[in-house]
Amino acid sequence: EVQLVQSGAEVKKPGESLKISCKASGYIFTNSFIVWVRQMPGKGLEWMGRIDPHTSYTNYSPSFEGHVTISVDKSITTAYLQWSSLKASDTALYFCARPGTTASLIDAFDLWGQGTMLTVSS
Amino acid sequence: SSDLTQPASVSVAPGQTARITCSGHALSQQYTYWYQQKSGQAPVLMIYKDTERASGIPERFSGSSSGTTATLTITGVQAEDEADYYCQIADSRGPHFYVFGTGTQFTVL
Repeated sequence: EVQLVQSGAEVKKPGESLKISCKASGYIFTNSFIVWVRQMPGKGLEWMGRIDPHTSYTNYSPSFEGHVTISVDKSITTAYLQWSSLKASDTALYFCARPGTTASLIDAFDLWGQGTMLTVSS
Repeated sequence: SSDLTQPASVSVAPGQTARITCSGHALSQQYTYWYQQKSGQAPVLMIYKDTERASGIPERFSGSSSGTTATLTITGVQAEDEADYYCQIADSRGPHFYVFGTGTQFTVL
């Protein structure tokens, strides 16, 4: 089955670090980018950044650059989203997603993880 | 600018036709993609490249685009269509490679 499975919900304190994961299966991992999307409570979807699993090339939305790090371990077909110092404002639902694998779908996200809820509170 | 604006809310009675718009300058040059997100769930791709239905999406969902406005139409609305809907573009020229619309809360009366 083609799927993205994310790590479970997290509760952290401000200033702590965190790395959440997105495990891909059922397709050739290195053939498609992985993107991360944030959804703050009651708000819309925001693209955070993307990574090419083949080369580890990344680019970030200016809104998130410098605050998060996206990485990948292609040996275990897993992408990561990492924070070195969390803030309360990082409280959100985080999704990983994959752009489609055909030319028509290359700019659309046709596969999504189930989401990881992060709560940052003192 | 790559900003995409949607109405905050749209409400329609069952069986009627609903239209959800997405407006933005970039739409005149980029394809529009539409997602449905039900409460607490991951988004689902509904429409790609302005007008194409994604795999498994019912025929009552359709998309169109003209100038700087894209439209998602639901013909014969059903209760199960109640959800949030987002438009999205890819814009490699801008700082935000992918841009989502502001989102529309769709209610079936």
